[in-house]
Amino acid sequence: RKEVEQDPGPFNVPEGATVAFNCTYSNSASQSFFWYRQDCRKEPKLLMSVYSSGNEDGRFTAQLNRASQYISLLIRDSKLSDSATYLCVVNMPDSWGKLQFGAGTQVVVTP
Amino acid sequence: DVKVTQSSRYLVKRTGEKVFLECVQDMDHENMFWYRQDPGLGLRLIYFSYDVKMKEKGDIPEGYSVSREKKERFSLILESASTNQTSMYLCASRDRGLEQYFGPGTRLTVT
Repeated sequence: RKEVEQDPGPFNVPEGATVAFNCTYSNSASQSFFWYRQDCRKEPKLLMSVYSSGNEDGRFTAQLNRASQYISLLIRDSKLSDSATYLCVVNMPDSWGKLQFGAGTQVVVTP
Repeated sequence: DVKVTQSSRYLVKRTGEKVFLECVQDMDHENMFWYRQDPGLGLRLIYFSYDVKMKEKGDIPEGYSVSREKKERFSLILESASTNQTSMYLCASRDRGLEQYFGPGTRLTVT
């Protein structure tokens, strides 16, 4: 079983709509969680950290559910520029800061 | 802004060749990482370094070695390239936080 699992998509979303997707992680002791964004043929970049209480950054909302071991990302009012692959990233416990990356969820926003 | 650069964007090598991939960061970060990214598998950690001349194996170190003679530079070496090492190679660096900053990647093809 993969340590971090994501639905690969693609999620095809009309411009202006809302899209949400989840990521599950296997290690219940994981402490830190992140969403990275990766554009086609580009490097991953940090989108946002995920806090226990949930957090928003503009049109993006991240949630953490420790009991069920998943994190989610919701994008409101989707823009064409939101088209990308979103990587779920989990910090491994008892490590030096090792990050475990999911394979990514592809989002395609259409006009 | 943090800048991480990699020596080549695209590289084609023959089976059995020795390959050097170089990575340079300009933010005096202590920690540097080498990943490979393959479709459906996400980013997998090959090696990392937390200081000059220090290195630790990641999840898939077989067939690779690294060198860190200066703080800003972290090199990945394929001693004898094989076709299963065809991949996208991403270098990253970070300071004391968990956010990693990635270089643009090197797409290596081994024929």
